[in-house]
Order: sequence, then C-alpha cells, then structure tokens
Amino acid sequence: AQSVTQLGSHVSVSEGALVLLRCNYSSSVPPYLFWYVQYPNQGLQLLLKYTSAATLVKGINGFEAEFKKSETSFHLTKPSAHMSDAAEYFCAVSEYAGNMLTFGGGTRLMVKP
Amino acid sequence: DAGVIQSPRHEVTEMGQEVTLRCKPISGHDYLFWYRQTMMRGLELLIYFNNNVPIDDSGMPEDRFSAKMPNASFSTLKIQPSEPRDSAVYFCASRKLAGVFNEQFFGPGTRLTVL
Repeated sequence: AQSVTQLGSHVSVSEGALVLLRCNYSSSVPPYLFWYVQYPNQGLQLLLKYTSAATLVKGINGFEAEFKKSETSFHLTKPSAHMSDAAEYFCAVSEYAGNMLTFGGGTRLMVKP
Repeated sequence: DAGVIQSPRHEVTEMGQEVTLRCKPISGHDYLFWYRQTMMRGLELLIYFNNNVPIDDSGMPEDRFSAKMPNASFSTLKIQPSEPRDSAVYFCASRKLAGVFNEQFFGPGTRLTVL
C-alpha cells in the first residue's frame, strides 16, 4: 500500500521568500512522485514529476523538487515566491506501472505582499 | 487539444434527486478516472476505467453511485438518490497507457451542491 503525507495544511510566505512544501511518502516499490497545483475553481495541473531519471526535478513556474529515498521525501521548493503562486498544492504517488494516484491532503500556499 | 471536458461546471439539486455528471477525456487516452474532493476527505479516487472497462470501483462510496463509459470519448457518474453529504467537487482525469509515466490530466471539475 502507498500513502502520502503533506506536513502543513497551510503555509504562508512573503513575496520573494523561499517556498518549501513538504511531502513524505510510503511505497512498497520504487515510486513515481508528482506535484500538482490547483488554482481556485480550477482542476489540478501537473507541476513536475519524478520518474527515477534524476533526483532533482525541475518543473514549471520555477518550482523544483528533490527525491530523497533515505528520507522518503519529495519536498517542493521555489527560491522566490510570487503572488501568483498562491494556490493549493498536492503531492501524489503512483507505484511503478501502476494506474492509480494516491494524493496527499494538500497544502494551501498563501503569499503575502 | 481541448483537454478533459466536464459538464456541468456547477450543479445544485435537492436531496433525493438524480444527478448525472459528464466527462469527455482527451482523445487517444486509455484511462479515465473519477475523483471527489471535499474539505474533510481531500481527493479520493472513486473509480477508474481502462479502454472503457471499469477496473477498480472500490472507492465508490455507496450503491447510490454508479459510473459508465459507453465509449472512449464519454463517461458519466450518476448519483441516485443524491444526499447533502454528496456535496463536493467531482473531477474527471484521463491518461495514456504509454507515454509520460502515469501523468493524469484533470478536467476543471463539477461543483455539486445537494440541498
């Protein structure tokens, strides 16, 4: 069985500050890991994904995430927050060749001017 | 490509009424997923199809919920009878069998309110 834990349901940062959203997973096999973003009243959009090619993954809008097997983590970071980054972020895991995504509870990012 | 299309975007109904949500996946995608999003339970997978065949419906909460995929370009999620606790945002997603490692593409969702 696989599961995802996102620490912090709400994170608030100032514009220009570092963004760090935490994600820990459990999986019985090497996982595929994803970060999705959901803007208000919209569906989920893929930010980036880890598929074992490289442990540091770069995504859209300046976000990146690092896969750390020893820590079973896949934290999302962005060096400098922008007001437009305010949204809800979901970490998800899928087993190799699996079809189902298991989502974490989500983290709502607020960006203060 | 138009992306995953869902209709209606908003639905308000009264308890006991039948509700039908619709989804058109991205052309050429082999899998279709139905999710429900609530504040209390987050994002839950309800059911998914492969080549129009239901593969796993273990997430369907009750017999009041049913889903069909009569062809590769259309799926429905039906709730009969609806209850206030069914109020949620329902998302449809689709993906290819092969390609970008299980990436799912989501529709904009249907916000359902049951009074």
